[in-house]
This record gives sequence, C-alpha cells and structure tokens, in this order.
Amino acid sequence: KNQVEQSPQSLIILEGKNCTLQCNYTVSPFSNLRWYKQDTGRGPVSLTIMTFSENTKSNGRYTATLDADTKQSSLHITASQLSDSASYICVVGRTGANNLFFGTGTRLTVIP
Amino acid sequence: GAVVSQHPSRVICKSGTSVKIECRSLDFQATTMFWYRQFPKQSLMLMATSNEGSKATYEQGVEKDKFLINHASLTLSTLTVTSAHPEDSSFYICSARGALAGGLNEQFFGPGTRLTVL
Repeated sequence: KNQVEQSPQSLIILEGKNCTLQCNYTVSPFSNLRWYKQDTGRGPVSLTIMTFSENTKSNGRYTATLDADTKQSSLHITASQLSDSASYICVVGRTGANNLFFGTGTRLTVIP
Repeated sequence: GAVVSQHPSRVICKSGTSVKIECRSLDFQATTMFWYRQFPKQSLMLMATSNEGSKATYEQGVEKDKFLINHASLTLSTLTVTSAHPEDSSFYICSARGALAGGLNEQFFGPGTRLTVL
C-alpha cells in the first residue's frame, strides 16, 4: 500500500532554534519527494523537490534530505522564525502516475 | 512564475444551493488540473483529475454528479458543488501542471477556497 507517514504530528520550538521533521514512505515505484509548507487557510507552497538520485536539497533555511534505500526523508529548518509556523507536508510522486501521495503533515509552531 | 489562483477564497451558502469554484493558471498553460479537498487537521485528498478538453477522472468515493468539473481551456478549470450540504463544508484546493513544470510531475497549488454550507 502506498503511504506517507510524518512525525512528529506537532512541534513547538523557540524562535531561533533548529528542528527536523521526518517522513517515511512506502510509495512505489518512487519518482520524487517534495516538501510543502502550508499556512493555515492557504494552499501548499513548494519548498523542495528531490528525485531518486538526489540526497539533499536546500532552499534558504530549509534543507531536505532523502535516503531512497530506507525510504526516509527529513526537513531541517535552521534558525527558526515566527513565520515558519505552519504545517509541513511531505508528498511523494509515483513513476508513471499523475497522483501524489500526501503525508498528514507536521504542525510547527514557533514561539518567541 | 507558476502562479495558480482560485476564486472565491471563501464562500458561504445555504444547503441545497450550488457553488462554483474557479481555478486559473496565471502564467502557464495547465494541461492537467487537480482538485483536492482538505478537512481540518487532515491532509489533502485528491478528488479528481482533469485534462483540458476531456472528462475528469474521479477518485473512488467521489460522486461525479455532485462535483462537476469542467476544464474548458488551458488556463481555467471549474469545480461546481451541486446541491451542497453541510458535510460538503471543507477547504477545496486546486493544483495545475503544465509545460512550465518540466518532467518532474510538478504541481502548483492554488490558495484554496473555504466552503461553508449552512
């Protein structure tokens, strides 16, 4: 069964601190993995997208890693800001298919 | 680039009425558009996939006669919720994929439409 699981479900950190979000997937055949940021009441915005051959990709303070062998990915946020408060969704694409498989997201809250 | 808009952003309607939501790709031609529904604290659930000029493909459990999708042009798709009921209240999000996206099955999401049925 094609699934995407994320942990933790929610996370609260102090402004300026770093954090790492986890994503495990069983989607096959694997095509790509992407991380999205979704603010409350808004659509998802792409942060990173990685294919099978890529094991890390950065976008400013966001760094995603991918281990295609263990089917795990992480999203590391450095020097968190209040505006980082949002849901972070891991999404996996399957080769030859239109559809994407969504994780349930990690709700991050950054407090001053 | 790759901007997708939705209109309206919020809509409140009475039970039994129909509501139309528009999804537009503003700076690229979207050969495929996707409609999702998201309930509070849950992830996005794909409702249907539409290709320009052809009938939409609905996911299992989604009633095609209730959720009418039209993708008449390369920049516009519409979702009409017919005879809406309170249980249809949700956050509806569209995404679009087109020539700009390259070969990575990239989808660009709209900002979403909050539907509340009284």
